[in-house]
Amino acid sequence: NAGVTQTPKFRILKIGQSMTLQCTQDMNHNYMYWYRQDPGMGLKLIYYSVGAGITDKGEVPNGYNVSRSTTEDFPLRLELAAPSQTSVYFCASSYVVIGSNQPQHFGDGTRLSIL
Amino acid sequence: ELKVEQNPLFLSMQEGKNYTIYCNYSTTSDRLYWYRQDPGKSLESLFVLLSNGAVKQEGRLMASLDTKARLSTLHITAAVHDLSATYFCAVDRSAYGGATNKLIFGTGTLLAVQP
Repeated sequence: NAGVTQTPKFRILKIGQSMTLQCTQDMNHNYMYWYRQDPGMGLKLIYYSVGAGITDKGEVPNGYNVSRSTTEDFPLRLELAAPSQTSVYFCASSYVVIGSNQPQHFGDGTRLSIL
Repeated sequence: ELKVEQNPLFLSMQEGKNYTIYCNYSTTSDRLYWYRQDPGKSLESLFVLLSNGAVKQEGRLMASLDTKARLSTLHITAAVHDLSATYFCAVDRSAYGGATNKLIFGTGTLLAVQP
């Protein structure tokens, strides 16, 4: 199993450009998440999804959009890149059912710089 | 608003010594997770703590949870260089026993174990 796979690993964008960060998981997890990690800080939740077709905002959703058309994929879109969005982005997934408390599994991250 | 604070933020210790990392959180939760992150890498799950008084151990690391004090500890016994990493605690915004699976992360503790 590959687990959680994120692409690209690195990207540099110009202010105002748009891009999509890809995330796919092969563990048949129902929940998926997007976080950002700023230097020297913990992770902050951007968006999450409890299943295909269902998404909701986290702590810091402004400037981002997501979709979940399949169980496996959860792309994150930046429409108008701003310097404040320079960060490392992590995608995660977990299997959530009543009575189960599994940890979230993380991808390797996408390092994004906006200049 | 749920806040999670870790201390210390940075810990330099010698091999063979013992030390404890503290994780305090501000509102009710009975689900707490510890993760490890190596530089430039993803997050690896260490422990899942689900109830008051929970204690888990793996190798030189032992984690505990006191939900009444809203405190978790990560104790390191006889540290070795391989334990050098950043350690995060993360708290589920659960209330009245219902998990939300939305995690609030602490800012992390950077542990440097010197030979």
